[in-house]
This record gives sequence, C-alpha cells and structure tokens, in this order.
Amino acid sequence: EVQLVESGGGLIQPGGSLRLSCAASGFSVSSNYMSWVRQAPGKGLEWVSVIYSGGSTYYADSVKGRFTISRDNSKNTVYLQVNSLRVDDTAVYFCARSLNTEVYFDYWGHGTLVTVSS
Amino acid sequence: DIVMTQSPDSLAVSLGERATINCKSSQSVLSSSNNKNYLAWYQQKPGQPPKLLIYWASTRESGVPDRFSGSGSGTDFTLTISSLQAEDVAVYYCQHYHSIPITFGQGTRLEIK
Repeated sequence: EVQLVESGGGLIQPGGSLRLSCAASGFSVSSNYMSWVRQAPGKGLEWVSVIYSGGSTYYADSVKGRFTISRDNSKNTVYLQVNSLRVDDTAVYFCARSLNTEVYFDYWGHGTLVTVSS
Repeated sequence: DIVMTQSPDSLAVSLGERATINCKSSQSVLSSSNNKNYLAWYQQKPGQPPKLLIYWASTRESGVPDRFSGSGSGTDFTLTISSLQAEDVAVYYCQHYHSIPITFGQGTRLEIK
C-alpha cells in the first residue's frame, strides 16, 4: 500500500528554517517524481517543488533560492529544506507522488503545518 | 506561467442533478507530440488531502465513480458530475502539468442545494 507521511512542521519565526520530511512506503521515491504542494489556511493549492527520478529539481518562483528539495533513497524519504521563511509561507505542506513522468499527483500525504509568525 | 481559471467559484446543485465545473487555461495544454491534454482534476474534502479524479483531461483514475467525467481540449475543460451525491460535497481543482511551473485553478466549492 502506498503511503506518504509528512513531518517537521511547526511554529517558526520569520527568517527561520525548517526541514520537512516525507517518508514513503509501498514504492520507491527514487523511481518516481516527487513534489511538495502547499495550501495556505482557507486558500487553494500551490505547487512548490518537484524532484525527478533522475535527480533534476524545479521550484516555484515564490520559493526559488529559499527552498531546497532532496531525497534519501536509503530512507525512502523526500525532504524540503525551507529557509528565510516569511509569514506568507504559512501553509499545510503536502508531499505528493507522480506515478509516471508527468507531474499530476496520484497519492498525497496528509500534510504538515508550517506556521510562520513572530 | 500558465494561469488556470475555474468557474464558477461556488456552485449549489440538488441531489441527483448534474454539476458542471469549468476550467480555462491561459495557454493551450494540448501537446502536439502526443495529442494529449495535460490537465488533471482533484477533489478535496475538509481536512483531507486532494484526491485525483481525472488525468489527461478525460481519463478517470482507478476507483473513481463513473458519475465523474472530464472533457475538453486545448484551453477549455469541464468536470461533470452526472448525478450529484451527498459525498460529492467538496472543493474541486483543475491543474495543468504541461510545463513547469505546474499551476492549479483557484478551486470551485460544490454544495448541496
């Protein structure tokens, strides 16, 4: 059974950093495209970043230079390092899998909440 | 960037009636190389992650009831629920995956009338 479990969120001050984790089971993160998608409270979905099976990474303009996506194949886990956090980064961060080499999302985790506030 | 615009923002439909949600992209999401539309639809219920309903604009995800259907091509797409059930109350999102950055529509809230 495919499962994605996010962790690492919390309350952080503006300018701070966090590392979000997405532990996968039932498939290999190294064989799939893996993304982070966020949702601010009461708002819509915003794609944040993707890591391709080959290792290439891409980011939304809103997070470029501040966020870094990576993976640890031995732990079957994807990470999102979030630096220089701003109040408008406050959101639930979902990890999502793309089954094929097209970036639509067939499995999602339940998300981890990041709250940026002083 | 491709901008996705959904209409309406909210919709109230009676049980058993048809619900139609529209999605328009600012550029075509039809690939000339494979003649496929790079468009997906998701359903999100309160407190839950989104659930994939439709991909390639009209291919239903495994396990999704056949009352859900997708149509359209190029820049104009539609999600149709043929006979609304109580469990279909949710917010629905379209998403293109034609190019990076991936973008979503703003969402359409579907309620029971």
